[in-house]
Amino acid sequence: GQQVMQIPQYQHVQEGEDFTTYCNSSTTLSNIQWYKQRPGGHPVFLIQLVKSGEVKKQKRLTFQFGEAKKNSSLHITATQTTDVGTYFCAEPTSGGYQKVTFGTGTKLQVIP
Amino acid sequence: EPEVTQTPSHQVTQMGQEVILRCVPISNHLYFYWYRQILGQKVEFLVSFYNNEISEKSEIFDDQFSVERPDGSNFTLKIRSTKLEDSAMYFCASSEYGGTGLSYGYTFGSGTRLTVV
Repeated sequence: GQQVMQIPQYQHVQEGEDFTTYCNSSTTLSNIQWYKQRPGGHPVFLIQLVKSGEVKKQKRLTFQFGEAKKNSSLHITATQTTDVGTYFCAEPTSGGYQKVTFGTGTKLQVIP
Repeated sequence: EPEVTQTPSHQVTQMGQEVILRCVPISNHLYFYWYRQILGQKVEFLVSFYNNEISEKSEIFDDQFSVERPDGSNFTLKIRSTKLEDSAMYFCASSEYGGTGLSYGYTFGSGTRLTVV
């Protein structure tokens, strides 16, 4: 089945430091999505990347899609305590688009 | 902002009992999903539903599970003969039709925490 690996599994950063999570797929992706889940909350859609090498920004968040469309990253500049949560990448199922498979997630803790 | 609504927020049930988890997807969305998340673990796909039928299901979604859209707004997940390992957070999600090769982000509900005792 599909395997979407994310590293690191956990990350503790001091408030103001940068943070990056990486997502790697065993197959070439048509697109990739990113979600954030606050502690005790539900996944919230952040963004979708479609094009090879695509880079998108949302304020302090920068999302990249690899040239080969097999990996992606999320970078947060100058973390804040509101960034705390688990960040998941999610890839569409092979051969279809009616489900996405979530990655293993990176849990971010921001120390004030 | 349109929301996906799930009820109840928390359900405690005896092992072996049947539970029905309810969801009201966003009204103009066409695809519906159930996911589950065991505490501290990844979000696992259970089933997707389109045009009043299951479009895809995972190996987790066996005969113990069923989904239904009993009317124009509700989308339910039934779990029969619950087991201790069914304890998890169950999320309903919906999405707009995305066209060939594309998908749109899902809107998730707040979830139902199921505890089987």
